[in-house]
Amino acid sequence: GENVEQHPSTLSVQEGDSAVIKCTYSDSASNYFPWYKQELGKRPQLIIDIRSNVGEKKDQRIAVTLNKTAKHFSLHITETQPEDSAVYFCAASQFSNDYKLSFGAGTTVTVRA
Amino acid sequence: DGGITQSPKYLFRKEGQNVTLSCEQNLNHDAMYWYRQDPGQGLRLIYYSQIVNDFQKGDIAEGYSVSREKKESFPLTVTSAQKNPTAFYLCASGTAYNEQFFGPGTRLTVL
Repeated sequence: GENVEQHPSTLSVQEGDSAVIKCTYSDSASNYFPWYKQELGKRPQLIIDIRSNVGEKKDQRIAVTLNKTAKHFSLHITETQPEDSAVYFCAASQFSNDYKLSFGAGTTVTVRA
Repeated sequence: DGGITQSPKYLFRKEGQNVTLSCEQNLNHDAMYWYRQDPGQGLRLIYYSQIVNDFQKGDIAEGYSVSREKKESFPLTVTSAQKNPTAFYLCASGTAYNEQFFGPGTRLTVL
């Protein structure tokens, strides 16, 4: 099955700086890569996703990049703000294969004011 | 996300009791999922269902059971066979394009 590794496990950044979280996956057939943000005590929320036919996708201050050859993808948050403090999870799946997502272990991001 | 509801928000179970967690969605999604999240941990898949009257075990199905009699509903029963059930339980529904959306969760505590 798919194995997703996520680094770092914790990340502390100064407000206004950028944050980068990296994930690697094992199954070359995976073709869908979402990112979720989970605030303390709340549900995970889908913030951005990318499919294997695209190398990069942006949505305001967040972006995701995908390197299919190296089997890794990354989340980039620019101009970080205190409300970006949360746990971020990456995931990977194969389209039309049980519709299951394999999640990374999560990264706790703390934005220092 | 607003189309997925879970109840109750908090649930307390005594030793040896079975309890059922409710999950309902009005997003017309075919797929539904149950995850368990322990403090400071990631998401572990318990069961999932792609269509009505069919479901599959996830990575940690032991001590849990589910049913999928209606497209909108996917209840999870935590049985007495689950020895360490205290956790945050998240239900999700998914589109045909693998996007998954989570409900607000149920926090289960064993007394």
